[in-house]
Amino acid sequence: DTGVSQDPRHKITKRGQNVTFRCDPISEHNRLYWYRQTLGQGPEFLTYFQNEAQLEKSRLLSDRFSAERPKGSFSTLEIQRTEQGDSAMYLCASSLAVGSSGNTIYFGEGSWLTVV
Amino acid sequence: AQTVTQSQPEMSVQEAETVTLSCTYDTSENNYYLFWYKQPPSRQMILVIRQEAYKQQNATENRFSVNFQKAAKSFSLKISDSQLGDTAMYFCAFMKHNAGNMLTFGGGTRLMVKP
Repeated sequence: DTGVSQDPRHKITKRGQNVTFRCDPISEHNRLYWYRQTLGQGPEFLTYFQNEAQLEKSRLLSDRFSAERPKGSFSTLEIQRTEQGDSAMYLCASSLAVGSSGNTIYFGEGSWLTVV
Repeated sequence: AQTVTQSQPEMSVQEAETVTLSCTYDTSENNYYLFWYKQPPSRQMILVIRQEAYKQQNATENRFSVNFQKAAKSFSLKISDSQLGDTAMYFCAFMKHNAGNMLTFGGGTRLMVKP
């Protein structure tokens, strides 16, 4: 059983460059989430998909951020014109959408972004 | 909006002893779920235990148990017989019922288990 996988695990980029992270969820999971976690803090919700539909976006997701899940499988998170404040770990997670809610969410190991 | 507060930034415990991590939350919801997640250094976050708010019985998972006080909006985690592998960040998290499974996390407690 493969868990949630993320790529790349680490990325160092210069301010102003664009970066893209990829997430492959657990294969049968139809919900996929992106969270951001800064050092010493808890994760903060960014956005989530059910299949290919993006159903919710946080106010944290500025217009420089875009997430896609084109075929309802893997997802990408792109950050354009990166700023130093974007430095964080970007966590992907997935779950089933069975019944009402409360389903267990499984996290990937995260993609660390450092903007210099 | 929901908020989750973990008032203990760091804790330590001797191996084999018991430790309790605190969590309080604020919500106007009646139906929700509460979770404790563990994040070891440089490793992925994994679920430790979950509690449905409509259940009065406290959840237990082997050495991990919770004390859920709905009226007080308190959800503490007790780790018995602490092991070195329990060293990690622990996050308390809240999920509204029928809200797309989105989690609201607390700021975390760093737990160090000492030999």
